[in-house]
Amino acid sequence: AQSVAQPEDQVNVAEGNPLTVKCTYSVSGNPYLFWYVQYPNRGLQFLLKYITGDNLVKGSYGFEAEFNKSQTSFHLKKPSALVSDSALYFCAVRGLSGYSSASKIIFGSGTRLSIRP
Amino acid sequence: DTAVSQTPKYLVTQMGNDKSIKCEQNLGHDTMYWYKQDSKKFLKIMFSYNNKELIINETVPNRFSPKSPDKAHLNLHINSLELGDSAVYFCASSQAQGRNTIYFGEGSWLTVV
Repeated sequence: AQSVAQPEDQVNVAEGNPLTVKCTYSVSGNPYLFWYVQYPNRGLQFLLKYITGDNLVKGSYGFEAEFNKSQTSFHLKKPSALVSDSALYFCAVRGLSGYSSASKIIFGSGTRLSIRP
Repeated sequence: DTAVSQTPKYLVTQMGNDKSIKCEQNLGHDTMYWYKQDSKKFLKIMFSYNNKELIINETVPNRFSPKSPDKAHLNLHINSLELGDSAVYFCASSQAQGRNTIYFGEGSWLTVV
């Protein structure tokens, strides 16, 4: 069974410092990995995804994520945090076992990122 | 233009009532979803439709009944509402292939009193 874990409920970073939000996954076959951000009282917004190719994926708002197959991780990073990055971040995984219209995305429990001025 | 739109955004209703949440997407996707986000922000899939056909039906009480009149619409009807149904319900859509991104609506905040 596929699963995704976000080990930190909250991450606190000072503005201007680098940030990392951790994600590990378990899936049979090659994974499709996603990061989403949710601002208060809003829906989830897509940030970036890893399908294949370069292990470093760049996304919206200056975020990037590194796929590490040996560690089954897909950590979200940003070199310099902004106060406006404060939000709830979700990692998600979609298992691949051939084409299946019934495959589904499983979301992690979310990590609240708080950037202090 | 809103890609995935759902209405109403806020809904307060009494226990035992029946209510519906509507969802429409203008992205040309063939797969639509309903997700439930609980008070702890945990997000769980409820249903998924591909070209109007139900393809994912998680362990959801049969008081919840999705209906897809066409591939651009997926409505959620809830009968005999209970206090525990209070949550945020998100509609989403994607192309069926696994590599494709899921796009979410803004959510419908349901409060049962």
